[in-house]
Amino acid sequence: AQSVTQLDSHVSVSEGTPVLLRCNYSSSYSPSLFWYVQHPNKGLQLLLKYTSAATLVKGINGFEAEFKKSETSFHLTKPSAHMSDAAEYFCVVGTLKGKLIFGQGTELSVKP
Amino acid sequence: KAGVTQTPRYLIKTRGQQVTLSCSPISGHRSVSWYQQTPGQGLQFLFEYFSETQRNKGNFPGRFSGRQFSNSRSEMNVSTLELGDSALYLCASSPSMGGGFQETQYFGPGTRLLVL
Repeated sequence: AQSVTQLDSHVSVSEGTPVLLRCNYSSSYSPSLFWYVQHPNKGLQLLLKYTSAATLVKGINGFEAEFKKSETSFHLTKPSAHMSDAAEYFCVVGTLKGKLIFGQGTELSVKP
Repeated sequence: KAGVTQTPRYLIKTRGQQVTLSCSPISGHRSVSWYQQTPGQGLQFLFEYFSETQRNKGNFPGRFSGRQFSNSRSEMNVSTLELGDSALYLCASSPSMGGGFQETQYFGPGTRLLVL
């Protein structure tokens, strides 16, 4: 069965400092993994996705994630946080039947 | 291309009533999936429709149903509303069936339902 665990429910960083949002997954086959972002009262926007082409995935707005099979991890990083990055982030695993399984979300706060 | 649109954006109903939510996918997309988002349960998959047929269903009671039309637009219906049905309902579209594995699913802004 597929599952995903986001290790932090809330992360707070200062503007200009690095961001690390942690995600571990479980999958019985080579997974498809996604990071989505949700700003308040908005829908979900795709940041990036991993589909076995390259282990380091670059996304929008300077975010990237590294797929580590040995650690079953797919952590999201950004070198320098911006105030506009404050939002909720979801790590997601795709299933062969097409449905998405979401982590519980990590709320990112960015302090000026 | 226009994105996924959902109507209405906000809805207030009372217990026992029924509600219908609508989703228009991105032009050319044939798969529509529905998700429920609540603070307690997070984001959970409801069902997926492709070519007017339900292809996949999540673990929700039969009060939750849906359909898809020939133009790929989809509706979701919840009958006999309960307080616990208060949630943000998101729909997502993708070009093909089972888009959540390799293809990107594109989400709409959601319909926020409040049941009193």
